Amino acid sequence: NAGVTQTPKFQVLKTGQSMTLQCAQDMNHEYMSWYRQDPGMGLRLIHYSVGAGITDQGEVPNGYNVSRSTTEDFPLRLLSAAPSQTSVYFCASSYGGARMRTEAFFGQGTRLTVV
Amino acid sequence: AQSVAQPEDQVNVAEGNPLTVKCTYSVSGNPYLFWYVQYPNRGLQFLLKYITGDNLVKGSYGFEAEFNKSQTSFHLKKPSALVSDSALYFCAVRDSGGTGFQKLVFGTGTRLLVSP
Repeated sequence: NAGVTQTPKFQVLKTGQSMTLQCAQDMNHEYMSWYRQDPGMGLRLIHYSVGAGITDQGEVPNGYNVSRSTTEDFPLRLLSAAPSQTSVYFCASSYGGARMRTEAFFGQGTRLTVV
Repeated sequence: AQSVAQPEDQVNVAEGNPLTVKCTYSVSGNPYLFWYVQYPNRGLQFLLKYITGDNLVKGSYGFEAEFNKSQTSFHLKKPSALVSDSALYFCAVRDSGGTGFQKLVFGTGTRLLVSP
């Protein structure tokens, strides 16, 4: 049981480049989400999904796109990387519906540096 | 709006002594409260949660937390600290009201340093 798997673990981008952060879960969770972690700010929600084909914005969505074509996968796309997007990114998944009282499971994180 | 406050950036404790990491919260409805731990270069690991019921919640690795509704607090505790408990600890809250996705709101984190 792998849980939530994120790739890559580390990435360095040049300003203006694009890339996709991958996230996959094998727990059949309905909800998936992306957070970024910045020093002194905790984790902030970027985008989330409540099921395949359904996505919505969190509190810091600018500069990011998401899609959810399957229950398992929820990639995060950086359209044109900026230094302000230097951060650690975490993908999370959790049950929805009647089981939404349960905790969220997090991936290992992707440390992204934009130069 | 939901919010979480972790008033201490860092907590220092000697091995074998009890530890407390503080957390206070604000939600419009009844809270779901969580503690997560992050070891260096690792993801967030779930420690424990309060959903309803007993105010004292027991979790992984000997940790426990006390829910206090009147003080809107959910402090993390352990009777005897280990050096291996040194890590970054996050408190998080989710509003139990409504249906559908409810985001987790995190505190800024508290670094716990346990000295030998």
